[in-house]
Amino acid sequence: GAGVSQSPRYKVAKRGQDVALRCDPISGHVSLFWYQQALGQGPEFLTYFQNEAQLDKSGLPSDRFFAERPEGSVSTLKIQRTQQEDSAVYLCASSHGSGRDGETQYFGPGTRLLVL
Amino acid sequence: AQSVTQLGSHVSVSEGALVLLRCNYSSSVPPYLFWYVQYPNQGLQLLLKYTSAATLVKGINGFEAEFKKSETSFHLTKPSAHMSDAAEYFCAVRNMTRNQFYFGTGTSLTVIP
Repeated sequence: GAGVSQSPRYKVAKRGQDVALRCDPISGHVSLFWYQQALGQGPEFLTYFQNEAQLDKSGLPSDRFFAERPEGSVSTLKIQRTQQEDSAVYLCASSHGSGRDGETQYFGPGTRLLVL
Repeated sequence: AQSVTQLGSHVSVSEGALVLLRCNYSSSVPPYLFWYVQYPNQGLQLLLKYTSAATLVKGINGFEAEFKKSETSFHLTKPSAHMSDAAEYFCAVRNMTRNQFYFGTGTSLTVIP
């Protein structure tokens, strides 16, 4: 497809359950970002990949959060032992990575995670 | 350090009236600034961006924003609001060294018929 896609769109998990969220970036985009958006807030940075390399994971809130992009395209954000405070919308974005276009980030529709 | 502040978490305008959404930035270097719109249950869609070219930037759906260095502002405007403009609007600044975007807390726009 032409845009960033994410799956699942909605996920309900029981507290303590592990979840995996998938992101398919725009084809050819080198850079990929994950954001967490709490209700009524702006997106907050979690982590950033350039190709398969995770260059910045400073925004990951705990060691229960793990992200990977093994082949430099699709990325997965994994949350282990989910807690209620993990409930949020998880947004994925990609950018060209060449420095052009102001490195505009293009966002997917997000995955809405609810932890009960 | 870079950040943006959006003044007014909720703005209501009548259909056909001027839309003005405020964004002030803080940056020690010339910033790249962006406005995104988010409709319910959707991701963020780029409205427009400033990347150090023209200070008056035109975007989609009739929106525009003016970069004013002296006021450290990048306010979003639209001459005439339409019902379909009702959404959440986010201002963002790009961290040039870490390649991160920092978002404001958003402004919810309501358009009254």
